[in-house]
Amino acid sequence: KNEVEQSPQNLTAQEGEFITINCSYSVGISALHWLQQHPGGGIVSLFMLSSGKKKHGRLIATINIQEKHSSLHITASHPRDSAVYICAAINFGNEKLTFGTGTRLTIIP
Amino acid sequence: KAGVTQTPRYLIKTRGQQVTLSCSPISGHRSVSWYQQTPGQGLQFLFEYFSETQRNKGNFPGRFSGRQFSNSRSEMNVSTLELGDSALYLCASSLGRGSDGYTFGSGTRLTVV
Repeated sequence: KNEVEQSPQNLTAQEGEFITINCSYSVGISALHWLQQHPGGGIVSLFMLSSGKKKHGRLIATINIQEKHSSLHITASHPRDSAVYICAAINFGNEKLTFGTGTRLTIIP
Repeated sequence: KAGVTQTPRYLIKTRGQQVTLSCSPISGHRSVSWYQQTPGQGLQFLFEYFSETQRNKGNFPGRFSGRQFSNSRSEMNVSTLELGDSALYLCASSLGRGSDGYTFGSGTRLTVV
């Protein structure tokens, strides 16, 4: 079993839909990143959070430390949101990044 | 401010050759970490350097090595290339601790033929 699990692996939705991507982890963490990767390959960090909730534009990330679970939400989804979304746990102690397998999101106009 | 710069962006090498990739972190960032991304294995941690010292290491063979210079720039070297080394190699920099947050470069896409 991977230390960081994401679901779903693939998600296709219509423009305007509300999107939720889930991440569960089994390791102790100091924080968790949500990353976005477009087809070109470069990775952008959307959020880093260690508790509660963060919001940036149409993106919302939440984390529940007790349940070892985080979610990324996209409101009013748009085709430009199409990308791979990856959660990455920062291991408590050695602070190495452990990655989920990613969720490929496709938003259809 | 300038982001994390990786060079080259693309590289084609022949089996058995060696390759060196470069990563220039954000100014003021002292930690540089390296990752390999393949379709089969996803993103995997290679190693991390902080103040010219390797601080963490992933589970890769000794053919993969790295170093960091006094200006925090880092290089990664892969010797005796194998076809399976074809991947996107990403580096990320942080101020010092992982919990400071990471900024990623655009990656170097290595193809071994």
